[in-house]
Amino acid sequence: SQTIHQWPATLVQPVGSPLSLECTVEGTSNPNLYWYRQAAGRGLQLLFYSVGIGQISSEVPQNLSASRPQDRQFILSSKKLLLSDSGFYLCAWSTYRRGEAFFGQGTRLTVV
Amino acid sequence: QKEVEQNSGPLSVPEGAIASLNCTYSDRVSQSFFWYRQYSGKSPELIMSIYSNGDKEDGRFTAQLNKASQYVSLLIRDSQPSDSATYLCAVNTGNQFYFGTGTSLTVIP
Repeated sequence: SQTIHQWPATLVQPVGSPLSLECTVEGTSNPNLYWYRQAAGRGLQLLFYSVGIGQISSEVPQNLSASRPQDRQFILSSKKLLLSDSGFYLCAWSTYRRGEAFFGQGTRLTVV
Repeated sequence: QKEVEQNSGPLSVPEGAIASLNCTYSDRVSQSFFWYRQYSGKSPELIMSIYSNGDKEDGRFTAQLNKASQYVSLLIRDSQPSDSATYLCAVNTGNQFYFGTGTSLTVIP
């Protein structure tokens, strides 16, 4: 069966510090991968999606970046965090054929 | 215009009643449609998928899709307090997956 791992679960970082969130998927190959951000009480904002290794599409211009160094690994990064980067970050995967997305446990990021 | 729109609620229904949640989408090439449930502080959980016009039933849940009207709905029969959560409508346009802002549902015992 397929599983998705996302870590860490919570993170408190000072303004201006770097960020690296990692997500890995097991039990499937060539998944579509997604990073979402959810602000408190708000919906899911699509940040990045990837259909293959090294292929990243950005939905929202910002100080975040994403990389996919391996087929089932997706990384979200920032060189310098802003207060507005606080939120609940979710990684998800789907297959093109079926289309359902499945989520990791999420990372609650607080920038102080 | 947002890709997916939902009434934010909150929606309150008594235990045992039918809860009705609605969603519209803007992209006519959307291929597949989903409903997710999200408890406070948790990640979204898939509860229904629907790919063609009409109704799809799974237990107490029924999803309805009308592509001509670009409308998706979710009915929850015999609502239980454990159904209290935020329900997210989602649309897959191929490689991009968009979510509505969610409808908060409270089932009152």
